[in-house]
Amino acid sequence: DTGVSQDPRHKITKRGQNVTFRCDPISEHNRLYWYRQTLGQGPEFLTYFQNEAQLEKSRLLSDRFSAERPKGSFSTLEIQRTEQGDSAMYLCASRPTQGNTEAFFGQGTRLTVV
Amino acid sequence: GENVEQHPSTLSVQEGDSAVIKCTYSDSASNYFPWYKQELGKGPQLIIDIRSNVGEKKDQRIAVTLNKTAKHFSLHITETQPEDSAVYFCAASGRTGANNLFFGTGTRLTVIP
Repeated sequence: DTGVSQDPRHKITKRGQNVTFRCDPISEHNRLYWYRQTLGQGPEFLTYFQNEAQLEKSRLLSDRFSAERPKGSFSTLEIQRTEQGDSAMYLCASRPTQGNTEAFFGQGTRLTVV
Repeated sequence: GENVEQHPSTLSVQEGDSAVIKCTYSDSASNYFPWYKQELGKGPQLIIDIRSNVGEKKDQRIAVTLNKTAKHFSLHITETQPEDSAVYFCAASGRTGANNLFFGTGTRLTVIP
């Protein structure tokens, strides 16, 4: 499978715990995005990497959230001290080149904070 | 920033009929407009896209139209089939920086056999 891969698919955690999600983009894609999608809404941009550099962050990305892409390949999104409002689908997408091209999305990680 | 509005939020059509979903955007600098289909438990999948230098694009039963002056674009699905049932999202993307996608709130399409 050469698509965007996300792990885990589902995560249930207790409020206050830390969680980490992983995204493996399509191998030749140097652009990687994280989005958050809540029920009944469209995806909302969180952050963007070009290779290993994190170039843009949304105001939605509070200081409890951190994302990395250490070698310019896979990326991780960590949420510290989770809150019930963090419950959502976290989507990763990748794109091959500069400019506006198709963004390929992974299946997402559904986080439930109880 | 960009604001994308999408209507209707739900749409039911009989199999074989056409479905139309409409979106408006606010940023005149946006120049790329994709449409995504999302099935339950899956990530969004691109079904068609259009760039601002084109007014219409068609791919089999799916077409998209763009009116740059009015800042609106529409998705047209003809001869709908039950497997077209899903949530559809429009999006708009700017020219610079991350070319981040701004999504509408989605339309749940139900095709009744």
